[in-house]
Amino acid sequence: DAKTTQPNSMESNEEEPVHLPCNHSTISGTDYIHWYRQLPSQGPEYVIHGLTSNVNNRMASLAIAEDRKSSTLILHRATLRDAAVYYCIRVTYNFNKFYFGSGTKLNVKP
Amino acid sequence: DAGVIQSPRHEVTEMGQEVTLRCKPISGHDYLFWYRQTMMRGLELLIYFNNNVPIDDSGMPEDRFSAKMPNASFSTLKIQPSEPRDSAVYFCASRPFGKETQYFGPGTRLLVL
Repeated sequence: DAKTTQPNSMESNEEEPVHLPCNHSTISGTDYIHWYRQLPSQGPEYVIHGLTSNVNNRMASLAIAEDRKSSTLILHRATLRDAAVYYCIRVTYNFNKFYFGSGTKLNVKP
Repeated sequence: DAGVIQSPRHEVTEMGQEVTLRCKPISGHDYLFWYRQTMMRGLELLIYFNNNVPIDDSGMPEDRFSAKMPNASFSTLKIQPSEPRDSAVYFCASRPFGKETQYFGPGTRLLVL
């Protein structure tokens, strides 16, 4: 099953925007893109998800390419508490099967 | 709500022993998922249940692994016999019907010596 591709790590300064990219070139037309993050010694937690259109919530924004082969998670103002591993996940139409990528470890510098 | 509860949080056992991991999903959630996380393979779905019935167990690695959900508030993942390569963090997650989000527990860190 095709997984997503993400950079291993990224670094950001506190209170600056962060753009986390993800490639999912083999995504099917009915698959959703979800983003979760995982803090050390914790389970993943939901960030945002989308299908075709860009999405915004209180945590982040999700920009999905028109051809749906890539997407970008945008944290508008990174804080130290945002330091985590961010997973871009291909999710089947019924939201039951999650195909995790390897994740991007985000380091936020004060 | 207390969230998804998993026990034990840490387990150390010897090769060949039986290991049982436990999960209590969030009350009212219809779906329950078991995942395994390793450095080599990342996060992988093992099995999921809908209304206590196993729906897809294609991710279960071997017959040594089995999962049950005797009621809506309890599930177990059993490994018998355990092997060192089973060492991983095992997560349980649950999801309510009609919602997109899975809620993960804190995980059980298993070490098989």
